[in-house]
Amino acid sequence: EAGVAQSPRYKIIEKRQSVAFWCNPISGHATLYWYQQILGQGPKLLIQFQNNGVVDDSQLPKDRFSAERLKGVDSTLKIQPAKLEDSAVYLCASRHPGEQYFGPGTRLTVT
Amino acid sequence: AQSVTQPDIHITVSEGASLELRCNYSYGATPYLFWYVQSPGQGLQLLLKYFSGDTLVQGIKGFEAEFKRSQSSFNLRKPSVHWSDAAEYFCAVGSSGNTGKLIFGQGTTLQVKP
Repeated sequence: EAGVAQSPRYKIIEKRQSVAFWCNPISGHATLYWYQQILGQGPKLLIQFQNNGVVDDSQLPKDRFSAERLKGVDSTLKIQPAKLEDSAVYLCASRHPGEQYFGPGTRLTVT
Repeated sequence: AQSVTQPDIHITVSEGASLELRCNYSYGATPYLFWYVQSPGQGLQLLLKYFSGDTLVQGIKGFEAEFKRSQSSFNLRKPSVHWSDAAEYFCAVGSSGNTGKLIFGQGTTLQVKP
């Protein structure tokens, strides 16, 4: 079974630029999550989708972050414009009842 | 508010020694509890989980954890550590509802001395 795929793996941008991350969950998993993991901290949930609907986006900085999940499969997370404090690893996970499966993450560096 | 505390930011043990990583949680209802491991440049891998039943849970790679409701703890143990166990370990508490949202502790970095 293929795991959760994410791209790119690494991204370096300057502040005020835009960036997008892509996630392909495990086939058949209806629930998809985006987490932000700042260096030295545990992952923090940004947004949760159930199929293509948003379940929880209470922690998403909506003035600069957006996310979508078209057709209930792949998802993209966008940051526009980026700030220095957005430097982090962005993890995507998909859920089978009882367990979340995580992708390798995208490491974003904002300079 | 729901929260997870991992009191030890960094732990060093000798190879072959026993290991215990501490985790305390705050959660209003019966929690779902998880331990994940993260190697450098890798995503999170589930070691074990507790939903209900036997409070001593066995996981992969020889790890186990014990749920103690009275102490709000879910400590991770391994009787003999291998050099390949060096990684970062995260404890998480999950909603028992359908959302499955996880709240993570800040993590404990394990270093293994030869």
